[in-house]
Amino acid sequence: GAVVSQHPSRVICKSGTSVKIECRSLDFQATTMFWYRQFPKQSLMLMATSNEGSKATYEQGVEKDKFLINHASLTLSTLTVTSAHPEDSSFYICSADRTGMNTEAFFGQGTRLTVV
Amino acid sequence: KQEVTQIPAALSVPEGENLVLNCSFTDSAIYNLQWFRQDPGKGLTSLLLIQSSQREQTSGRLNASLDKSSGRSTLYIAASQPGDSATYLCAVRPRGGGGADGLTFGKGTHLIIQP
Repeated sequence: GAVVSQHPSRVICKSGTSVKIECRSLDFQATTMFWYRQFPKQSLMLMATSNEGSKATYEQGVEKDKFLINHASLTLSTLTVTSAHPEDSSFYICSADRTGMNTEAFFGQGTRLTVV
Repeated sequence: KQEVTQIPAALSVPEGENLVLNCSFTDSAIYNLQWFRQDPGKGLTSLLLIQSSQREQTSGRLNASLDKSSGRSTLYIAASQPGDSATYLCAVRPRGGGGADGLTFGKGTHLIIQP
């Protein structure tokens, strides 16, 4: 099956600092990757769509200057949470589509971000 | 705006029982529907993918059905085992983007299988 690797799995940072999260498709190329956020007891919510070689598309209400997305290659997308605040503490998870006739989403392990 | 609802929110049953998890969505214009499993603090494991033109998919003890016109999907788990304990998520992909858009998730069903 398709493998998506996300790092780090957990990170604690001080308020005001920036944190970078990496998402890699290990055994397939992904022109499109997605970033989601999940608050406790809530659904996963789509934050942005990351397209290789172009700017990310952000969902309504997601600050593009706070959540910087870079999709520099067909196997790597990064999410940088800039000037993090305690309210940014959440579970962030990426997915990559294995494209073809049956577009199937594969997810990374997720990153638990705690801002103190 | 697409909304996905999963019922029940939580379920606890003895080992060996067959069970059904329900998922409903408000906009039938979907590209596909996926069922996932999420263990506490972990990522998502894809269980079954159903294309909009399909009615069901099976994998081992799991069977998922799709009734697109009524906006419903069910996940059937046969002969449940304690290892099946997890949160099960239903997600739909919109048709409008040709399959290139992100998923809309339900809140999940938290399943506990008692030994």
